[in-house]
This record gives sequence, C-alpha cells and structure tokens, in this order.
Amino acid sequence: GNSVTQMEGPVTLSEEAFLTINCTYTATGYPSLFWYVQYPGEGLQLLLKATKADDKGSNKGFEATYRKETTSFHLEKGSVQVSDSAVYFCALRDSWGKLQFGAGTQVVVTP
Amino acid sequence: EPEVTQTPSHQVTQMGQEVILRCVPISNHLYFYWYRQILGQKVEFLVSFYNNEISEKSEIFDDQFSVERPDGSNFTLKIRSTKLEDSAMYFCASSEIQGAGNTIYFGEGSWLTVV
Repeated sequence: GNSVTQMEGPVTLSEEAFLTINCTYTATGYPSLFWYVQYPGEGLQLLLKATKADDKGSNKGFEATYRKETTSFHLEKGSVQVSDSAVYFCALRDSWGKLQFGAGTQVVVTP
Repeated sequence: EPEVTQTPSHQVTQMGQEVILRCVPISNHLYFYWYRQILGQKVEFLVSFYNNEISEKSEIFDDQFSVERPDGSNFTLKIRSTKLEDSAMYFCASSEIQGAGNTIYFGEGSWLTVV
C-alpha cells in the first residue's frame, strides 16, 4: 500500500537558518504530494503541493520538488523565522482521493 | 476565503456516551472526509463520503462510528459509545472533486477527550 515517511523531529533551528525536512513516499500509480502545516493550537493548513514529477510547489518561502526517481518531496526554506515554528506533515493523495500523512515533523525556531 | 468549520472545538465526555461532531464543509465541495490525530501520533484517515454514502473507510471506522449529511450543509461524525482510546483531535475535510491533484481542505479540528 501507499505510505509516507518523513524525518523525525523535533528539529530545532535558529532564526534565519536553512530548513530541510526529508519526505519519501511509496505509492502505486501517480499520486500528488502535499505539505501541510499545523501551527500551535490550530488545524491543518495546506502549505504547498505538486501534482506530477518534477513539479515544484512553493509558498511562503517554502519549496518542495516532486522527485519520482528518488520518490521524495523534501521541504526546504532558506531562512526560517520564529513564526515558522509548527508541525509539518508530508502527505500523498492517490487517484482514489484519500490523503495519507507522514508522522509529522515538529520544527522549533529560536530567536 | 471559504473554510471548513467544525463544532465543538473541545468536548469532554464520559466513556460509553454518544458524541456527535459537526462540520460545515466548503459550500461547493462534493467530497467529505473525517480524519483523526491521537495526541503525538500521525493524522489517520477515517472515512470518505460522497453522494450521500460512504465511499471508503479505514479499519478504525468500525460499527461504533457513523457519518451523516443530514441537510445540505452539515456533515456529522457520530461515535455511539465512546472509549478512552477515542480521545483524539478529529478533523473534518472536504474537496471539490476526487482527483489526486485536488486539494483537501481541513477544518481546525474538534478535540475529544473521553474520561
């Protein structure tokens, strides 16, 4: 079956540091890939998505590229802010419509 | 921007009691979902719903759970007899169409505590 694996947290960074959160997936067919973010006390918000191989999703300074050859969708941001502290979830959606999530990675950005 | 709304935001209930969690999906969306997140664990799929019937459900979604769209706007999750292990954040979600590339939008969640 389909699955998503992402790096364990927490990831602790200083402000303006470079962030990478690794995500790899296993899927049949042609899934779409998503990053969702959960800020403290809030629900799940879509951060970015990519629907086919080599697509790059981007939003709020975050980027991720759909790499079919390595089955990866790593999230990156060049310079994080304290306000980026959250839990980040990698997810895939198959043609049947169900979203499957990774375990989530907590990111803590310190001033 | 349209959003999925959920009520209540928090509910505490005694074991064995029935609970109904309510959701108003985005108005032009046709596919509805419930997910849950036990504290510290991953977000898990429970059920998807389309055209007034369940289209897929997970192993978690046993006979204690049911979903309903009682009118044109609400989508509810009922747990008939709650257990301690049902304590979790329950997320309602909706999407316009089914395809892999379409975004599923989530509500802010209903935090259920079973005591």
